[in-house]
Amino acid sequence: AQTVTQSQPEMSVQEAETVTLSCTYDTSENNYYLFWYKQPPSRQMILVIRQEAYKQQNATENRFSVNFQKAAKSFSLKISDSQLGDTAMYFCAFMKHLLQGAQKLVFGQGTRLTINP
Amino acid sequence: GAGVSQSPRYKVAKRGQDVALRCDPISGHVSLFWYQQALGQGPEFLTYFQNEAQLDKSGLPSDRFFAERPEGSVSTLKIQRTQQEDSAVYLCASSLVTSGFKLDTQYFGPGTRLTVL
Repeated sequence: AQTVTQSQPEMSVQEAETVTLSCTYDTSENNYYLFWYKQPPSRQMILVIRQEAYKQQNATENRFSVNFQKAAKSFSLKISDSQLGDTAMYFCAFMKHLLQGAQKLVFGQGTRLTINP
Repeated sequence: GAGVSQSPRYKVAKRGQDVALRCDPISGHVSLFWYQQALGQGPEFLTYFQNEAQLDKSGLPSDRFFAERPEGSVSTLKIQRTQQEDSAVYLCASSLVTSGFKLDTQYFGPGTRLTVL
């Protein structure tokens, strides 16, 4: 079974700073996908960024980027120029490759990120 | 277009009561997932539908939990004889495709917060 670990329960930074959220995972699969989801206080889970394991290039989406280290099974999220609207719970999630089973997501326990003005 | 909607948003039940939680996925989405999110935790997979077929129910915690999607659109998660440990947020997610080589995003609803007294 796959497991996802987020070792930082809470983080807090000042607006405009850069912050990195950590995530490690355990799997015996070679093909899989990794995601970062954001859950603001309203509870709607929103996809932030995703990474296919077969791609060596790290994914980027505007101010959000990842550092994917496949051998180390590490998948950290970097938020640059943080904004007040980035305040939320952030979940790291794992999904097996499509041909190997249902597309269920396996989530970590989350990191509560607070951006201070 | 509209996103995933869930109703009710909040439900309070007395221990032993039956409850039914509804999910309206994005129109045309083939795949539908239910997740359970305990307070302060990441979501955990409950069950998965591809159209009307329930392909994976390995995450349902007991036989008191039952899900259906009879016409391949709206889904209902039913919990019989609710217990206090069932208190959680129940999230529904849908995605457009389910097979082949295209990975599609899971879009989440706002969730139903169930409190069992």
